[in-house]
Amino acid sequence: SAVISQKPSRDICQRGTSLTIQCQVDSQVTMMFWYRQQPGQSLTLIATANQGSEATYESGFVIDKFPISRPNLTFSTLTVSNMSPEDSSIYLCGASGSSYNEQFFGPGTRLTVL
Amino acid sequence: RKEVEQDPGPFNVPEGATVAFNCTYSNSASQSFFWYRQDCRKEPKLLMSVYSSGNEDGRFTAQLNRASQYISLLIRDSKLSDSATYLCVSRGAAGNKLTFGGGTRVLVKP
Repeated sequence: SAVISQKPSRDICQRGTSLTIQCQVDSQVTMMFWYRQQPGQSLTLIATANQGSEATYESGFVIDKFPISRPNLTFSTLTVSNMSPEDSSIYLCGASGSSYNEQFFGPGTRLTVL
Repeated sequence: RKEVEQDPGPFNVPEGATVAFNCTYSNSASQSFFWYRQDCRKEPKLLMSVYSSGNEDGRFTAQLNRASQYISLLIRDSKLSDSATYLCVSRGAAGNKLTFGGGTRVLVKP
């Protein structure tokens, strides 16, 4: 399995500011994803990070709020823009070797917005 | 109706006992399924993949019933370390998108 790291592991931010979360995989992967897990709930897919092109967003998530970059096959960033307390959540990066392999997750970034 | 549904529990299980729980899915086009376990404040970790009728790995057995659209997970000889939230996950026909159930919490007690 791939080893995935995320930075920062946690942050406390003021409303109206933005935070960029980094995800680094120790090997080249085909697919990278960003999820949100709100307290007491399961994972919700935000978007698929596509290398060299715009991310594919799920219903309810938009690029202006969650811009994503993926400059190569091992790295991706998610920015949470113009944050509000409702954005307080855990953000997880996922990766898989291809469309048909199991998916593995980073340790998550715990975000609190005041 | 959620695409993947699970009984949230908790299932309180005596150490050494067997526990089983189900997950139902609504998308008949789902290609494959997974069970992940998630410990408190940790990321989900893959427990088992279910591509055909079932899979067994040590004390864990997963079964898939496509006719009734459910997947089950059975844990034999429960250990205290089995206490966790078990997430049922489906992968759709498109191949890359995962849909997560709400999780089933299992508490194994001495």
